[in-house]
Amino acid sequence: KAGVTQTPRYLIKTRGQQVTLSCSPISGHRSVSWYQQTPGQGLQFLFEYFSETQRNKGNFPGRFSGRQFSNSRSEMNVSTLELGDSALYLCASSLGQVGTGELFFGEGSRLTVL
Amino acid sequence: QKEVEQNSGPLSVPEGAIASLNCTYSDRVSQSFFWYRQYSGKSPELIMSIYSNGDKEDGRFTAQLNKASQYVSLLIRDSQPSDSATYLCAVRGSYIPTFGRGTSLIVHP
Repeated sequence: KAGVTQTPRYLIKTRGQQVTLSCSPISGHRSVSWYQQTPGQGLQFLFEYFSETQRNKGNFPGRFSGRQFSNSRSEMNVSTLELGDSALYLCASSLGQVGTGELFFGEGSRLTVL
Repeated sequence: QKEVEQNSGPLSVPEGAIASLNCTYSDRVSQSFFWYRQYSGKSPELIMSIYSNGDKEDGRFTAQLNKASQYVSLLIRDSQPSDSATYLCAVRGSYIPTFGRGTSLIVHP
């Protein structure tokens, strides 16, 4: 069974640009959540989707957005990039509805903002 | 502000010893508790989940939960060098999951 797939794995952007990251969950998983991981702040929740609807959102500015498609694949977008957005962005899928909690992470997309 | 606290370590134990990792949380309505292992440069991997007070064992791993004390721990028996990683505690209440910053475990031969 294939795991969670995230693309791209690495990317370099400059300040002010925007970026779109993609996540394909484990087959059959309908919940997808996104996280930002940095050495200073640890793993922080961005948002969570189930059945194409955003169910929960973390404490991030509106520059961070996401969506989920009917096949459960998800994308997140960061606009007007700032240096502080440099981080590992992790996507996780889970089997049940929002709240079951057992997360299966992808390998992440490492974003560097110059 | 819901918080999950972990000692950052590093916790250094000899091979074959028991490693004890601890986590406290502030949100009393928390219902689900998880331990994830993260190797350097890799993504977190689920080790254990626990939902009710007491102990839950899975192989060399035992998770312990005490909701009254708002405390969850992970014991690793017969620690191996391959257990060297950062261990993240995660807590989930009604809404979003909250992660601790992790404890670095080093198992030396």
